[in-house]
Amino acid sequence: GENVEQHPSTLSVQEGDSAVIKCTYSDSASNYFPWYKQELGKRPQLIIDIRSNVGEKKDQRIAVTLNKTAKHFSLHITETQPEDSAVYFCAASRRDSSYKLIFGSGTRLLVRP
Amino acid sequence: SQTIHQWPATLVQPVGSPLSLECTVEGTSNPNLYWYRQAAGRGLQLLFYSVGIGQISSEVPQNLSASRPQDRQFILSSKKLLLSDSGFYLCACDGSGNTIYFGEGSWLTVV
Repeated sequence: GENVEQHPSTLSVQEGDSAVIKCTYSDSASNYFPWYKQELGKRPQLIIDIRSNVGEKKDQRIAVTLNKTAKHFSLHITETQPEDSAVYFCAASRRDSSYKLIFGSGTRLLVRP
Repeated sequence: SQTIHQWPATLVQPVGSPLSLECTVEGTSNPNLYWYRQAAGRGLQLLFYSVGIGQISSEVPQNLSASRPQDRQFILSSKKLLLSDSGFYLCACDGSGNTIYFGEGSWLTVV
């Protein structure tokens, strides 16, 4: 079945620096790749997503890149702020009727003021 | 857009007791529905998904079961809880174009 690997598991950056989180997926039929942010004790919230017909997508300080050939995708956060501190999850789903998401193991991001 | 209601929000149950978590969805019809579990400090594990009434797919062998008696109702159950069933249970629903949204979650502690 589909497997999604995510790294690093923890990431500490200085406020204002950039943060990069990387994921690889195993199922070449995957075509949708969302990223979720989860604050402590709360539900995951979608922050950005990308589909397999696009190589890069940007939304203000957040960008996601996708390399279909290598089967990996990355989340880039620029000008990090303390409120970016959270756990970030990548996920992948394939093009069938279930749209079930398989998640990476998560990255705990700490932005130091 | 859809709204996902999940309850109870928290519960503490003894080992061997039954469990019922309920999820209902508003603002959409014929959604795909999902149950995920998150152990403390861990990732999101897909437990069950449903593409329609009475249609349940199980992703991992476990002590839990799921049912979908109505189009927008998804129930997670257990006859006898284990300590390892403790965790944060999240109901989810798909929106437009594969996007999946989560309910507020239910914290289960088995003691």
